[in-house]
Amino acid sequence: EDQVTQSPEALRLQEGESSSLNCSYTVSGLRGLFWYRQDPGKGPEFLFTLYSAGEEKEKERLKATLTKKESFLHITAPKPEDSATYLCAVQAGAGGTSYGKLTFGQGTILTVHP
Amino acid sequence: DVKVTQSSRYLVKRTGEKVFLECVQDMDHENMFWYRQDPGLGLRLIYFSYDVKMKEKGDIPEGYSVSREKKERFSLILESASTNQTSMYLCASSFNRNNYGYTFGSGTRLTVV
Repeated sequence: EDQVTQSPEALRLQEGESSSLNCSYTVSGLRGLFWYRQDPGKGPEFLFTLYSAGEEKEKERLKATLTKKESFLHITAPKPEDSATYLCAVQAGAGGTSYGKLTFGQGTILTVHP
Repeated sequence: DVKVTQSSRYLVKRTGEKVFLECVQDMDHENMFWYRQDPGLGLRLIYFSYDVKMKEKGDIPEGYSVSREKKERFSLILESASTNQTSMYLCASSFNRNNYGYTFGSGTRLTVV
């Protein structure tokens, strides 16, 4: 069974204080790992897709990295508007029981104080 | 941009009512999904569909059914609403099984009283 575990559950940062969120996963043949941002009361918004170990992607203050067992979302010099819940999800390859579906972690609630 | 539109942002229904949640996507996606999201439990898959008139159970299908008569529309039906179905319901779509990630709707916050 595919599993995704995110840590920490909640993270409080001061504006400008860089940190990382972790996403550990087990999946039968990773096809893709996804990061989403979710604001309160809204649907998740796509951030990144990573396909293979060693891959990195960046967008503004966010950088996502991938190894064979985990992914990190690095936040550099965060601002209050980065406050949100960050969700990680994996998609298994063909032949896996969850083929075509995403398995989500429970998310990390990030709060950035001014 | 692909848009996934959920018909209602907020709904309040009474226990025992039959409730319909509608979802429409405008980019010819094959796959559509219904999740519910609850604090501490994350996103849980209720039902999904890979094609018109096809449906498959997710992890928590009890008390729900779905309908996909047209490719762009995927409806979630609560046959007899109960208070434990109070939740945020999220619809999502993806191009096909080989592709990669979802586009989500804005969500429907359903309260059953």
